[in-house]
Amino acid sequence: AQTVTQSQPEMSVQEAETVTLSCTYDTSESDYYLFWYKQPPSRQMILVIRQEAYKQQNATENRFSVNFQKAAKSFSLKISDSQLGDAAMYFCARGLNAGGTSYGKLTFGQGTILTVHP
Amino acid sequence: DVKVTQSSRYLVKRTGEKVFLECVQDMDHENMFWYRQDPGLGLRLIYFSYDVKMKEKGDIPEGYSVSREKKERFSLILESASTNQTSMYLCASSFRRSGNQPQHFGDGTRLSIL
Repeated sequence: AQTVTQSQPEMSVQEAETVTLSCTYDTSESDYYLFWYKQPPSRQMILVIRQEAYKQQNATENRFSVNFQKAAKSFSLKISDSQLGDAAMYFCARGLNAGGTSYGKLTFGQGTILTVHP
Repeated sequence: DVKVTQSSRYLVKRTGEKVFLECVQDMDHENMFWYRQDPGLGLRLIYFSYDVKMKEKGDIPEGYSVSREKKERFSLILESASTNQTSMYLCASSFRRSGNQPQHFGDGTRLSIL
């Protein structure tokens, strides 16, 4: 089975500090996409950042950036200048570009709960 | 903004009941998905649909069925609810243009089977 693994069930960070959430994935495909989603407590899951596997440059969205290591099949999320509002469950996900009915299907990791301390 | 609406935030049902969870999206997305979310297991795909009346099984379809009669609506059916189906259920939708399309999620339905 092609899986996505988040090895850190919980992480914590002090406000204004930097934290990195880990994700590894398994795929035999060469064309795929990676996503980080955020699920705040009792709120809707939202997209944080997206990375195309064919791009060598790491994606960045304001305080959020990724470290994409294709050979190692690693896709970590770095949150800089952490804020209280960053506290949430974070999910890593992989989508394939294999065509047909697989377009848009994602495989999710187990999630990492991030706590931000004031 | 994309709006994915799930009919209930909280639902309590009894063992053996037939349960319907409804999901509606307003962005003309081809794909719609049903997941269940359990602690330590992440999101697991139950079923998805890539077009009206079209469906495919996900990773854990046993005990569930789905219906998609209109493009904007995707229903999850628990044929005979059991206590092990107590969980958070998430609906999502996306375009089916390529693999880079993000999924948009509803608020979730926390279902308890007594």
